[in-house]
Amino acid sequence: DSGVTQTPKHLITATGQRVTLRCSPRSGDLSVYWYQQSLDQGLQFLIQYYNGEERAKGNILERFSAQQFPDLHSELNLSSLELGDSALYFCASSVADSYGYTFGSGTRLTVV
Amino acid sequence: DQQVKQNSPSLSVQEGRISILNCDYTNSMFDYFLWYKKYPAEGPTFLISISSIKDKNEDGRFTVFLNKSAKHLSLHIVPSQPGDSAVYFCAASASQAGTALIFGKGTTLSVSS
Repeated sequence: DSGVTQTPKHLITATGQRVTLRCSPRSGDLSVYWYQQSLDQGLQFLIQYYNGEERAKGNILERFSAQQFPDLHSELNLSSLELGDSALYFCASSVADSYGYTFGSGTRLTVV
Repeated sequence: DQQVKQNSPSLSVQEGRISILNCDYTNSMFDYFLWYKKYPAEGPTFLISISSIKDKNEDGRFTVFLNKSAKHLSLHIVPSQPGDSAVYFCAASASQAGTALIFGKGTTLSVSS
């Protein structure tokens, strides 16, 4: 157990739907990062939050949004889902902007 | 445009031999590099890192070499063990700009006994 908890582990949904992925960071970590891993792709950085505020944005689609709550857990919202959104979504956390990223085990999203 | 490239999707090595995984980067602002290991159904776990002020960092069986002029780094595993079979991701960051880690596509290492 890495200390980063992601729920659900698996999610199957239809095109056009909206889903919410949840991440609880490791205790004491203020930064949360979201990454997407599609087939044959590396880990694509989506977005970072630090202590409740958006810190950096990567290749995140406009249909996707995220937030970090006062208790530091984070949610990634994916809407108007397309088949191409099927992927593994990883959350990672770290203390401040350190490079000691700890990853969760991921949420596998399948859009049918 | 891929800023971090791992051009070998897979590598097969015999137990006890050396495994060499390669990574190239294009962004000259990158100054911190890491390797992560990933087993199936698990998230990536940190393996070893190197700052741009160094050209080598060693941790047990794992050594990372950095060639800044060539924008190239490599991970050496000696001796390789079957438990090392996993996907290895190279990652880089421009610490001055406070960027998040940028990952390569990964190399799948298979170590046979």
